[in-house]
Formats: sequence, structure tokens, C-alpha cells
Amino acid sequence: GNSVTQMEGPVTLSEEAFLTINCTYTATGYPSLFWYVQYPGEGLQLLLKATKADDKGSNKGFEATYRKETTSFHLEKGSVQVSDSAVYFCALSPFGTNAGKSTFGDGTTLTVKP
Amino acid sequence: NAGVTQTPKFRILKIGQSMTLQCTQDMNHNYMYWYRQDPGMGLKLIYYSVGAGITDKGEVPNGYNVSRSTTEDFPLRLELAAPSQTSVYFCASSPYTQGIQEQFFGPGTRLTVL
Repeated sequence: GNSVTQMEGPVTLSEEAFLTINCTYTATGYPSLFWYVQYPGEGLQLLLKATKADDKGSNKGFEATYRKETTSFHLEKGSVQVSDSAVYFCALSPFGTNAGKSTFGDGTTLTVKP
Repeated sequence: NAGVTQTPKFRILKIGQSMTLQCTQDMNHNYMYWYRQDPGMGLKLIYYSVGAGITDKGEVPNGYNVSRSTTEDFPLRLELAAPSQTSVYFCASSPYTQGIQEQFFGPGTRLTVL
């Protein structure tokens, strides 16, 4: 079956530091890839997505590139802020008839200190 | 638009009791999902639906049942609650446009089984 493996946390950074959260996946075909963010006590919300190889998703200074050759979708941000503290989830959705069977990673908790 | 709403927000059940978690979306999305999130873990798919009258099992369906009689509603039924079902439950919905573009999540229901 499909799987998503995320870099284990927690991750603690100082404000303005560079962020990388690694994500690799196993899936047949060409899934869509996503990063979701979860703030305390809330549901998940979409941060960015990419639907085909070499696509770059970006939002709020975060970026991730769909790398088919390394089956990866690493999340990066050049300069983190305290407000970026949250749990980040990498996810995939298969293309085609099984599109509903999304798979999520275990999440990476990010804490940014002033 | 209210988006995805879930009720109740919190619930404590005794072992063996039954309950229904309600989920409603007002975005006319054809796909709907139920996930559980255990502490420090990612989301596990319980059931999903691709439209009214159509449901399918996810990764962890045992102990749960669902129905989808309308586009808007997707209730999750626990028949004989067990401590292993203590978790936070998230409902989500998504449109389908050449694949799943984004899932919209409700705020969650925190369930404790004692």
C-alpha cells in the first residue's frame, strides 16, 4: 500500500532560521502531494500542494518540490517566524479510482523561539 | 459558508455504549472522509465516500460504520465503544477535479472511552 514517511520531530528553531522538514513517499503511479498545517486545537488546513513531477508548491514563504526520482516532497522555508509554530503533515492522494484513499505522515511538530 | 462542521466537540463514553459523530459540509463536495488522530500520530483514514450512497473502507474501519444518504451529511457510528477508540476524530470533504486538490477539515471531535 501507499505510505508517507516524515522527518521525526520535534523541531525547535530560532526565529529567522532556515527550515527543512523531510518527506518521502511510496505509491504507485502519480499521486498528488500535499503539506497540511495544524495549529493547536484546530483541524488541518492546506499549506501547499503539487500534482505532478517537478511541480513546486508554495504559500506563505513555504515551498516544496515534487521529486519523482527521489519520491520526495521536502518542505522548506527560508526564515521562520514564531507564528509558524504548528504541526506539519505531509500527505498523498492517489490519482484515479482510489483518489479518496489519502495517506498522511505522522506529523512534525515545529516550535519557533523568539 | 460554514465549511465542515462536526458535533459534538467533546464526548465521554462508557465501554459498550454507542454514539454517532455528525459531520456536515455546505460546499457541495462529492468526497467526504473520516479520520482518527491518536496522540502524536498522523491521521488514519476510517471510511470515505465519493458521493451519496457510496462508501468505502479506509485503513482502520473496524468498530465503525458510516452512511451517506445526502451530499451534505456523512455520520460516523460507533456501535460498541472500546478504550482503543479514544481519539480525536476529524471529518473532511473535498471536490474532485482531475484528482483531489485539497481536503477541507472540520474542527474535530475529541472522544474518550472509559
